Amino acid sequence: EDQVTQSPEALRLQEGESSSLNCSYTVSGLRGLFWYRQDPGKGPEFLFTLYSAGEEKEKERLKATLTKKESFLHITAPKPEDSATYLCAVQTTTDSWGKLQFGAGTQVVVTP
Amino acid sequence: NAGVMQNPRHLVRRRGQEARLRCSPMKGHSHVYWYRQLPEEGLKFMVYLQKENIIDESGMPKERFSAEFPKEGPSILRIQQVVRGDSAAYFCASSPSGPNQPQHFGDGTRLSIL
Repeated sequence: EDQVTQSPEALRLQEGESSSLNCSYTVSGLRGLFWYRQDPGKGPEFLFTLYSAGEEKEKERLKATLTKKESFLHITAPKPEDSATYLCAVQTTTDSWGKLQFGAGTQVVVTP
Repeated sequence: NAGVMQNPRHLVRRRGQEARLRCSPMKGHSHVYWYRQLPEEGLKFMVYLQKENIIDESGMPKERFSAEFPKEGPSILRIQQVVRGDSAAYFCASSPSGPNQPQHFGDGTRLSIL
């Protein structure tokens, strides 16, 4: 059975204190891994797609990396506006390519 | 999340009534997806549709739930004879045609069952 596990569940950071979020996956075949951020009361906002081990993507203070078993989302020198729940999702080769399987998310709070 | 429009944003129904949730995809997107987020749980895939076709409904409950994406107009998720357990946030997403395209989400409909 496919599984997507995110850790930690919650993370509290001081402004400027860099950290990493983990998304480990067990799937029969990975088509793609997606990172989203979700603010309270809003829908998920797309951040990155990663397709193969070794791939990296960057956007402002965020950097996503992918290995054969997990993905990391690095937050460098975070600001309070980076506070959100970060979700990862996988698309597998055995599902229709429209189906995303989400992890439970990591809730990040950045304090000034 | 600009672009994918969901309405209503909040919907209250009594047990046994019907709920209709609407989703207008982003301009140029022909693929629509519905997800459900139960309290204290993650997002769960329900159904994937293209115009006039259901592509994957593997996440849809077998009874009371149906979805459509007609040639004209928004996609509709319909829940008949609602029960308390249907209370959740329902999110719609859309993407352009072709594989590996990121899905862009609306802000959801919060369904409450009295």
